[in-house]
Amino acid sequence: DAKTTQPTSMDCAEGRAANLPCNHSTISGNEYVYWYRQIHSQGPQYIIHGLKNNETNEMASLIITEDRKSSTLILPHATLRDTAVYYCIVRSPNFGNEKLTFGTGTRLTIIP
Amino acid sequence: DAGITQSPRYKITETGRQVTLMCHQTWSHSYMFWYRQDLGHGLRLIYYSAAADITDKGEVPDGYVVSRSKTENFPLTLESATRSQTSVYFCASSVRDRAHEQYFGPGTRLTVT
Repeated sequence: DAKTTQPTSMDCAEGRAANLPCNHSTISGNEYVYWYRQIHSQGPQYIIHGLKNNETNEMASLIITEDRKSSTLILPHATLRDTAVYYCIVRSPNFGNEKLTFGTGTRLTIIP
Repeated sequence: DAGITQSPRYKITETGRQVTLMCHQTWSHSYMFWYRQDLGHGLRLIYYSAAADITDKGEVPDGYVVSRSKTENFPLTLESATRSQTSVYFCASSVRDRAHEQYFGPGTRLTVT
């Protein structure tokens, strides 16, 4: 599995877009990028995933560079409830490869 | 829509006791997972199950036993609890062809004294 590198922590002002980077320079062709977050004392929450095209859903947007070596999760209008640890995970969706490995993630703090 | 639930939410037990943590999901998801979360280690997979009667080890299975006789339930048993098993335990589930989109329960905080 491709390793990921994320900043340890980030701050973002409330109402601004929060841009969380992730480097995955060893990603292979069939590996997807997944994002989860974990709000304090809660279980992790799936946010979004993508292969090579940019993706958007009701929670966030995912921008993957053309060479797929890095990606950015964008929370367009951050609120205080977005304060959480954000995990970037790279996995191939092959059968028998269902396990997710959570790294240390980025601790995002939204500042009022 | 209950989703995925865990019980108990909090548990204190003594070293050597047997403890079972329950996980129940109402989505009929094929996959179910058990993770533990400790400071300094993040989330680590204990066991997972691809379907009823199919289970497989994760990263840290020692000291744990699982079973899955019904699709909706995936209990985790600590046969003889140790202090090192003090942790927060999360159960998760997912559909078969989207195993990496996992939906997590609220967690069980277990303390072994």
